[in-house]
Amino acid sequence: AQSVTQLGSHVSVSEGALVLLRCNYSSSVPPYLFWYVQYPNQGLQLLLKYTSAATLVKGINGFEAEFKKSETSFHLTKPSAHMSDAAEYFCAVSAPQNTGFQKLVFGTGTRLLVSP
Amino acid sequence: AAGVIQSPRHLIKEKRETATLKCYPIPRHDTVYWYQQGPGQDPQFLISFYEKMQSDKGSIPDRFSAQQFSDYHSELNMSSLELGDSALYFCASSPSRGAAGQYFGPGTRLTVT
Repeated sequence: AQSVTQLGSHVSVSEGALVLLRCNYSSSVPPYLFWYVQYPNQGLQLLLKYTSAATLVKGINGFEAEFKKSETSFHLTKPSAHMSDAAEYFCAVSAPQNTGFQKLVFGTGTRLLVSP
Repeated sequence: AAGVIQSPRHLIKEKRETATLKCYPIPRHDTVYWYQQGPGQDPQFLISFYEKMQSDKGSIPDRFSAQQFSDYHSELNMSSLELGDSALYFCASSPSRGAAGQYFGPGTRLTVT
């Protein structure tokens, strides 16, 4: 079974500071990993995805994440936070498609707070 | 670009009533997923369909059923509603079983009173 753990339910940064949101995964097969962002009362928007190609993945809005197999991690970073980045961020894992499993298993989410 | 469409966006029902949520996937996406997100919680997988056949099932109550139609839209039917069913219900779609990621709709907020 697959699972993800997000460390820190809340992360606070100042505008312009580095954003680091942590995600560790557990998977019995090579995982596909995703980061989603959710603004209040809205749906989940796909930020970026790792599907066994390049280990450093670049996404939208200046975010990127690095897949580290040795650390079973897929942390999300952004060099400089913007006020508009304040939202809930979810890390998710799914099993590769040849196993037949398609569902996403989400972490518990990290709320990013950005102060002026 | 076209996105996933869900209707209605908001729904208020009383206990023991029924509700039907609709989802229209992104064109050419053949896989549809349903998730339930309770207040302050992460989304929980309910059920998915690939090419109009159920492909996976999660923690979906027996009171709920779903199907995917020939035009790939999907409907989630919920009967004997309970207060605990109040949640955001998301539909997501993907091409080819989800390897490229799932794209979520805006959700339907169901309130059961």
